[in-house]
Amino acid sequence: SAVISQKPSRDICQRGTSLTIQCQVDSQVTMMFWYRQQPGQSLTLIATANQGSEATYESGFVIDKFPISRPNLTFSTLTVSNMSPEDSSIYLCSVAGKETQYFGPGTRLLVL
Amino acid sequence: GENVEQHPSTLSVQEGDSAVIKCTYSDSASNYFPWYKQELGKRPQLIIDIRSNVGEKKDQRIAVTLNKTAKHFSLHITETQPEDSAVYFCAAHDSGGGADGLTFGKGTHLIIQP
Repeated sequence: SAVISQKPSRDICQRGTSLTIQCQVDSQVTMMFWYRQQPGQSLTLIATANQGSEATYESGFVIDKFPISRPNLTFSTLTVSNMSPEDSSIYLCSVAGKETQYFGPGTRLLVL
Repeated sequence: GENVEQHPSTLSVQEGDSAVIKCTYSDSASNYFPWYKQELGKRPQLIIDIRSNVGEKKDQRIAVTLNKTAKHFSLHITETQPEDSAVYFCAAHDSGGGADGLTFGKGTHLIIQP
C-alpha cells in the first residue's frame, strides 16, 4: 500500500483564520480524497481532489470553505477557510490503491 | 447518494466469543464494501473488503458476508481477543455522482471483556 503523510499532524487555530493541510504520497495515484472526522463520529467525504481540474465536492461542502489543490499525482492540499469552532475535527486524506482506499495519519485541528 | 446504516453502535463481548456487526446500504449500484478498524488516535486501517460478485470472504478470524438482494453486509470476528477492541466502520463505494469516494457507517465501538 502507498505511504501517506500529512502536515501538520495537529494545530490549534483562532477563529476567522485559515489552515492549509498537506498530503504527500510516496507513489503516483490517480484518486485522492479528503475526509473529515468530527470528534467521536464517523468519516465524511469532503471532496475528490482531481489532478489538473477542479475538485469534486460532496453535498454540504463548498469550494470557498474548503479549497483544494492537486498540482500533481503525489500531492494535494486542503485549506479550511475562515475557521469556526465547528471546524474542529480530524482531516484525513485518502488515496485509492489497486483494490481499496488507504488513509493518511490525519490532521487534528482545534479551533478556538 | 448512498446511505449506510450500521448496527450496533456499541458491542461488548467476552474474550473468545464471536462478534457480528451489520450494515445496510441504499444504493443498489454500490459494488465495493470495505471494513475499517480504527484504534484510538490512529487512522482507519482496512481489515477486509468484499465486492458485489462475491457472497463471502474470510481472512483468518475475520469474515464478511454480503447479501446484494437485501443490500446488507456483515463483519464476523471469531475467537475475539483484547486487541480487537476498537471502532469498526463499514463503508460502501458510492458509484453515483458526486465525489466518488466511500460512504461510511457511523461506526461500532467493539469492547472485548477479559
